[in-house]
Amino acid sequence: SAVISQKPSRDICQRGTSLTIQCQVDSQVTMMFWYRQQPGQSLTLIATANQGSEATYESGFVIDKFPISRPNLTFSTLTVSNMSPEDSSIYLCSAKTSGVYEQYFGPGTRLTVT
Amino acid sequence: EDQVTQSPEALRLQEGESSSLNCSYTVSGLRGLFWYRQDPGKGPEFLFTLYSAGEEKEKERLKATLTKKESFLHITAPKPEDSATYLCAVQSPSGSARQLTFGSGTQLTVLP
Repeated sequence: SAVISQKPSRDICQRGTSLTIQCQVDSQVTMMFWYRQQPGQSLTLIATANQGSEATYESGFVIDKFPISRPNLTFSTLTVSNMSPEDSSIYLCSAKTSGVYEQYFGPGTRLTVT
Repeated sequence: EDQVTQSPEALRLQEGESSSLNCSYTVSGLRGLFWYRQDPGKGPEFLFTLYSAGEEKEKERLKATLTKKESFLHITAPKPEDSATYLCAVQSPSGSARQLTFGSGTQLTVLP
């Protein structure tokens, strides 16, 4: 299994600003993912963070709004840009290692946009 | 398109009252079915992976089973600390990057 940490754990931001969320894994992993969980809802995949190349975004999510970096095998960042109240959500980082299908999740970042 | 439906949405049990949570799925070629536990304000905690019909996995008071169309999470003699939202997810060859498709979860409350 992998132990994942995220920073910040929560934040309150003003409309129009941007927030960068960091995700750190305690071991090298093959794949890292970013999810959004809106209040009372299940998880929706935003994108797959690819090491050394552009992230792969799911339908409905674009790079200009959610730029992602993954400079190495243990670290990734997600930026929520030009925020609006609709971006208020929990953002979760997950990772998987080679040879297994299960993903392990970080504790999440609770974002509130006012 | 992969679909996952969990029932019931919410379940209240008395301590010691055993029950089951259901996860029905529609996928084109199941690679794995996953159960997670999520406590309020925290990320999902991995519980089990099931790969093929007939497979069973156990951990303490939890037992997960899998058929070709659904999975059950059986909770035997639950305790209040078992209260959480239980999420089911599937993985199939379709979709990008082997993504997980999650159900909406079952919110379990175990009363002392």
